[in-house]
Amino acid sequence: KAGVTQTPRYLIKTRGQQVTLSCSPISGHRSVSWYQQTPGQGLQFLFEYFSETQRNKGNFPGRFSGRQFSNSRSEMNVSTLELGDSALYLCASRRGGGAEDGYTFGSGTRLTVV
Amino acid sequence: AQSVTQLDSQVPVFEEAPVELRCNYSSSVSVYLFWYVQYPNQGLQLLLKYLSGSTLVKGINGFEAEFNKSQTSFHLRKPSVHISDTAEYFCAVSEARGGGSNYKLTFGKGTLLTVNP
Repeated sequence: KAGVTQTPRYLIKTRGQQVTLSCSPISGHRSVSWYQQTPGQGLQFLFEYFSETQRNKGNFPGRFSGRQFSNSRSEMNVSTLELGDSALYLCASRRGGGAEDGYTFGSGTRLTVV
Repeated sequence: AQSVTQLDSQVPVFEEAPVELRCNYSSSVSVYLFWYVQYPNQGLQLLLKYLSGSTLVKGINGFEAEFNKSQTSFHLRKPSVHISDTAEYFCAVSEARGGGSNYKLTFGKGTLLTVNP
């Protein structure tokens, strides 16, 4: 079956711009989470959605936002980009809402802010 | 809140040697524990998970991990590594019960395993 699909794979943006990243979860998976990965901070939780509702949000500024659609696809948006937003953004999905289901991760979107 | 400490940032080993990647966690509630692997330019792949029951958990690619509640550890082991095991390995924890923070994974900083010929 198809895995978690993230688009685009690579993105270069200029400081001050905004960006939207897309994630299509595995068919049947209702929970989608987003993580930011950087060499300095490692993997940091951004937010999780389940059935179109944001259930939890990490410690990121309001410039970071997301949403989930009725087909479980998710988008995250970063406004007013800063150089420090350069990172690998990973989306992960799981079937249910419980933590016992392991996440399946996408290959990520590598965002470079110049 | 939970936290995860991976004690070694890098572990070099020779092919066919055994390896142990160490992970300690901190939590005031019951937890689920996970190990993920990340190959270059890829996402994370689940190796194994501990939910409850037997403390020895077997995963994919010949890896296993042992949950030790008294030492709050979840070390990953493989008796004989291959060149293809070269990757970064992440230990992660989540709460085992409901609540607002139940739904996220908290990751360690990762251990880079390098298998040399």
